Amino acid sequence: DTAVSQTPKYLVTQMGNDKSIKCEQNLGHDTMYWYKQDSKKFLKIMFSYNNKELIINETVPNRFSPKSPDKAHLNLHINSLELGDSAVYFCASSLRGAGGTETQYFGPGTRLLVL
Amino acid sequence: KQEVTQIPAALSVPEGENLVLNCSFTDSAIYNLQWFRQDPGKGLTSLLLIQSSQREQTSGRLNASLDKSSGRSTLYIAASQPGDSATYLCAVLNFGNEKLTFGTGTRLTIIP
Repeated sequence: DTAVSQTPKYLVTQMGNDKSIKCEQNLGHDTMYWYKQDSKKFLKIMFSYNNKELIINETVPNRFSPKSPDKAHLNLHINSLELGDSAVYFCASSLRGAGGTETQYFGPGTRLLVL
Repeated sequence: KQEVTQIPAALSVPEGENLVLNCSFTDSAIYNLQWFRQDPGKGLTSLLLIQSSQREQTSGRLNASLDKSSGRSTLYIAASQPGDSATYLCAVLNFGNEKLTFGTGTRLTIIP
């Protein structure tokens, strides 16, 4: 059974388009995250939600808007895509966000290529 | 601001050898430190998590140590196998927020 799943796995699109990436976890976790891994393989957090509430909002362009319809889902919508948005986007989840005792479980990633 | 560094960036080792991967961080006020493995084109798999109060954790052939005061962690892999070839990332979870700060990774190649 897939613990953290993302769709789509690959996304190729033109500059200026709007696209969404979906993430679902079936682990019963309270906290979900979006990370971006750039071409140099550097992984950096973008957003975190705990029980549908935004708790981490890093300095990312406001073209990126996360949405959590329930605690098992965290979607990422990107408006007006730019070339620099090309990266691998990872979703992750953990049982609880606070306390530092929890492992984060990662999805397989969505490879976004903006042409 | 937390910064996490991993050296070397790449490492090639003959099969069967023991090896050590290094991770250093600048801010010792952490909840925990985690080691992840990333295979090409795949997501991250958590290998070991060390709480700030712990000195080491072991899982099979893997042993991770943490020296919080010096801002260092090592991942020891015993009797390396070709299947260990991957990129290994360390990440620290800071006090006061929920953010994992990742290192730059070490790309490990085990030569059969």
